Amino acid sequence: EDQVTQSPEALRLQEGESSSLNCSYTVSGLRGLFWYRQDPGKGPEFLFTLYSAGEEKEKERLKATLTKKESFLHITAPKPEDSATYLCAVRRNGGFKTIFGAGTRLFVKA
Amino acid sequence: DADVTQTPRNRITKTGKRIMLECSQTKGHDRMYWYRQDPGLGLRLIYYSFDVKDINKGEISDGYSVSRQAQAKFSLSLESAIPNQTALYFCATLDRSNTGELFFGEGSRLTVL
Repeated sequence: EDQVTQSPEALRLQEGESSSLNCSYTVSGLRGLFWYRQDPGKGPEFLFTLYSAGEEKEKERLKATLTKKESFLHITAPKPEDSATYLCAVRRNGGFKTIFGAGTRLFVKA
Repeated sequence: DADVTQTPRNRITKTGKRIMLECSQTKGHDRMYWYRQDPGLGLRLIYYSFDVKDINKGEISDGYSVSRQAQAKFSLSLESAIPNQTALYFCATLDRSNTGELFFGEGSRLTVL
């Protein structure tokens, strides 16, 4: 059964304090691993798709990396506006369902 | 206007009432999904549809039904609402191009008393 586990559940950082969010996954034949950002009261918004181990993607202060068992979302010098819930998800080859983790709530204090 | 629109955004109802949540999209995507979000549990798939003639159950379909009225419209119904169906519901469409991303609506918050 496809499964996604995210840690930590919540992370509190000071502005400028870099850190990483973890996503461990189990899937039979990975089609893609996805990262989304969700603000309170809003729908998730797409950040990245990673397809194979060793791949990296960057967007502003965010960098996502992928191994065969996990993905990391690295946040460099975060700002208060980076505060949100970050969701990790996977889809298998030939599959039509995207399986989500429970998310990591990130709080960045000025 | 949003690409994926959900109505209503908020609804409070009583146990036993029938409720319909509606979703319409302007993305032109053929694949549409209904997810439920509960604190600590993430997004769980209720139903998904590939086109108006193809409806599939997700992991938590009991107590729910759906209708795909057109390529752009996908509705979720609770025939007899119960309190543990209180949750945030999201409709999404799938972009089958290179990114494979889901486009989400703003969500429908349902409270069943």
